[in-house]
Amino acid sequence: GEDVEQSLFLSVREGDSSVINCTYTDSSSTYLYWYKQEPGAGLQLLTYIFSNMDMKQDQRLTVLLNKKDKHLSLRIADTQTGDSAIYFCAVASSGGSYIPTFGRGTSLIVHP
Amino acid sequence: GAVVSQHPSWVICKSGTSVKIECRSLDFQATTMFWYRQFPKQSLMLMATSNEGSKATYEQGVEKDKFLINHASLTLSTLTVTSAHPEDSSFYICSAHSGGYEQYFGPGTRLTVT
Repeated sequence: GEDVEQSLFLSVREGDSSVINCTYTDSSSTYLYWYKQEPGAGLQLLTYIFSNMDMKQDQRLTVLLNKKDKHLSLRIADTQTGDSAIYFCAVASSGGSYIPTFGRGTSLIVHP
Repeated sequence: GAVVSQHPSWVICKSGTSVKIECRSLDFQATTMFWYRQFPKQSLMLMATSNEGSKATYEQGVEKDKFLINHASLTLSTLTVTSAHPEDSSFYICSAHSGGYEQYFGPGTRLTVT
């Protein structure tokens, strides 16, 4: 089955950019997502990218996809303390009935 | 965006009792709903896929007699934890799928079994 790997922690200073990385194993992955989870809450879909895209930008968020290396990244520009949360990478493919497989999540800590 | 609600948001129950958790899609019809379990500092573990009007599909290792899932309508799925034990204490999250590529997640239910 699909494996999705993320680093567990990232610490940045307020105002800096954050880059959260994710790798996956299934080259047929079609939909790639980034979710945000704040303490005690459910998951909020931040953004997604299709496998036929290399990059997607949405305000402060930039998603980069390297299909050859099966590497996905999320860049948050001008990181704020309110961005502190756990960020989950998830990928889905037709072989998996489009049910996403989640990584373990990256805990982003933003220091003032 | 689409909204998914869960009720209750947290529940404490005694060992041996059963607890029902509701998941509702508020402004769209969900052909498929999913139930996840999340342990502290861990990822989401898919427990089962619930399709309206048919039996749920359980993931390997999930006891279907312990975690009863009912998807009676296109806007409501329920998860009943039967004869709960302390090891069932966890954060349960549902999500709803309207047929597109997005899943919409509920806010989660914190279950504590004493």
